[in-house]
Amino acid sequence: AQKVTQAQTEISVVEKEDVTLDCVYETRDTTYYLFWYKQPPSGELVFLIRRNSFDEQNEISGRYSWNFQKSTSSFNFTITASQVVDSAVYFCALSEGVGYSSASKIIFGSGTRLSIRP
Amino acid sequence: GAGVSQSPSNKVTEKGKDVELRCDPISGHTALYWYRQSLGQGLEFLIYFQGNSAPDKSGLPSDRFSAERTGGSVSTLTIQRTQQEDSAVYLCASSLGGPNSGANVLTFGAGSRLTVL
Repeated sequence: AQKVTQAQTEISVVEKEDVTLDCVYETRDTTYYLFWYKQPPSGELVFLIRRNSFDEQNEISGRYSWNFQKSTSSFNFTITASQVVDSAVYFCALSEGVGYSSASKIIFGSGTRLSIRP
Repeated sequence: GAGVSQSPSNKVTEKGKDVELRCDPISGHTALYWYRQSLGQGLEFLIYFQGNSAPDKSGLPSDRFSAERTGGSVSTLTIQRTQQEDSAVYLCASSLGGPNSGANVLTFGAGSRLTVL
């Protein structure tokens, strides 16, 4: 069965510090997708990134970067030079058994609440 | 519509009453998901629909919960004989089905906050 673990319940850092949010997943499938979503205080979840299991290249988007390591079943998210606007709850998610003609079940971790102090 | 629309945004009900929550997905999105988020908690998967396939109901917590999707578009989540532990925000999301570009990338609605007294 698929499982996503975000061990860090809450993180608080001072603005401009770098911060890494951990995500560890479990799946029996060789084909799967991993995701990160952001839930700001306003409440609506926003998609950040999707990575498929065949692409272990790390990705950088501005101050955001993601490190995917199949060897440790981890998909960690780093924010560089954090800003107050980064304060939110961040969720990691897993979709396994992806077919070519259908969607699939997407399971979320319990989330990490990130607070950036000015 | 431009986004995923959910109604009502807030619902207060008495224990034992039935409630219906509605989700209108993005036009053209063939996949629709329901999640439950209790206060300060993560997202609990409830059910998802993909096109005309049988829905995956594996996350529904009890037989008091059911959902349907009519005409491959609007979905209704029904909770019968509500209990206080059903109080939560119920989130709907939709996505394109299939393996490419937007596949499995969820667009979420604002949620329906249910309070059972």
